[in-house]
Amino acid sequence: IAGITQAPTSQILAAGRRMTLRCTQDMRHNAMYWYRQDLGLGLRLIHYSNTAGTTGKGEVPDGYSVSRANTDDFPLTLASAVPSQTSVYFCASSEKGAGGKDTQYFGPGTRLTVL
Amino acid sequence: GQNIDQPTEMTATEGAIVQINCTYQTSGFNGLFWYQQHAGEAPTFLSYNVLDGLEEKGRFSSFLSRSKGYSYLLLKELQMKDSASYLCAVIDSNYQLIWGAGTKLIIKP
Repeated sequence: IAGITQAPTSQILAAGRRMTLRCTQDMRHNAMYWYRQDLGLGLRLIHYSNTAGTTGKGEVPDGYSVSRANTDDFPLTLASAVPSQTSVYFCASSEKGAGGKDTQYFGPGTRLTVL
Repeated sequence: GQNIDQPTEMTATEGAIVQINCTYQTSGFNGLFWYQQHAGEAPTFLSYNVLDGLEEKGRFSSFLSRSKGYSYLLLKELQMKDSASYLCAVIDSNYQLIWGAGTKLIIKP
């Protein structure tokens, strides 16, 4: 059982380019999340999805888009990358998606550098 | 606004005990998580508290006081592998998870 996988592991990207970060889970979790983690700022939620076919905006959604066509996949797209999007990106999933103890499980992360 | 405060960094000695504090001001409260994150790795779940009191799990314990907006993570018999960042996160009234910036714990021999 892989849990959550992310691709690529790391990427260097020129500013203005389009980039999609991939995330796949095999736990049949309802909810999925995208975070960015920057030094000293902790994890910040970009977008989330409580169930397949629905998505919502988190704390820092600008410049990012997501889709949730099925239960397993939750890609994050940067339409036109900017240097401030340099960060480590974590995908996470949880079983219920709303209410009560809902432990989030994280993928290994994608380290993105925008030059 | 919503805020979670943790010390930025702590240092402790192998074999000792360390307490990492977390205070929060959030719009509502529906539970508190502690996660461990080793450098360059993903956060992993350690503990969950929703009621006041102490939850013990091996060498790790987590305490919650909802009236004080306060939690701590207690690590006993410290080992070198416990060197990591420890993240406090609170579930708010909208069932969103609000994360603290994390406490980097350095263990010295």
